[in-house]
Amino acid sequence: EIQLQESGPGLVKPSQSLSLTCSVTGYTITSGYDWSWIRKFPGNKMEWMGYISYSGSTNYNPSLKSRISITRDTSKNQFFLQLNSVTTEDTATYYCARLIAYYFDYWGQGVMVTVSS
Amino acid sequence: DIQMTQSPASLSASLGETVTIECRASEDIYNGLAWYQQKPGKSPQLLIYNANSLHTGVPSRFSGSGSGTQYSLKINSLQSEDVASYFCQQYYDYPYTFGAGTKLELK
Repeated sequence: EIQLQESGPGLVKPSQSLSLTCSVTGYTITSGYDWSWIRKFPGNKMEWMGYISYSGSTNYNPSLKSRISITRDTSKNQFFLQLNSVTTEDTATYYCARLIAYYFDYWGQGVMVTVSS
Repeated sequence: DIQMTQSPASLSASLGETVTIECRASEDIYNGLAWYQQKPGKSPQLLIYNANSLHTGVPSRFSGSGSGTQYSLKINSLQSEDVASYFCQQYYDYPYTFGAGTKLELK
């Protein structure tokens, strides 16, 4: 069974970087598909942030392009999100998900991140 | 970006009732639409893709339809386990965008 699990700090200070890990079990991230980050803001608006493909290429939401980086560690079957220069507007629940074709078939449980001093 | 307008924001229905949720895109998305269900404290679950294709394991009481800019998710014979939030996602164009969600409750 494919499972994704997010981990990382629940509290980040403004202007710092937010770093999250998605650990994948039941499927090797280099075998296929794209591996995405999505966030859900208070008030329920959702935003696709970007993905890293099975080959290692990336595609980001232009609204985040200057601040976001998605990388991976294939030896650990993990991929990562780094979001720089965060503000309170980045407070959200962050999900990792597998992108099959163009939609998301497996999601993690989500991790809530609050940006506050 | 393509804007997805989802309605209603909340919905109250009785067991056995048929429920319809709609998403309107700001431009033609050529059936590039998925629907998801999210129960409180749980991760979203894919229900429908390509506007009308049922994902593996999803009960047949769920169906999707639509074309162009207008799409809908229908739940026939509402069950108690269908109490959840539902949201749509377009993938015709980058960046992928989502509807604001519909919270479905039992009357």
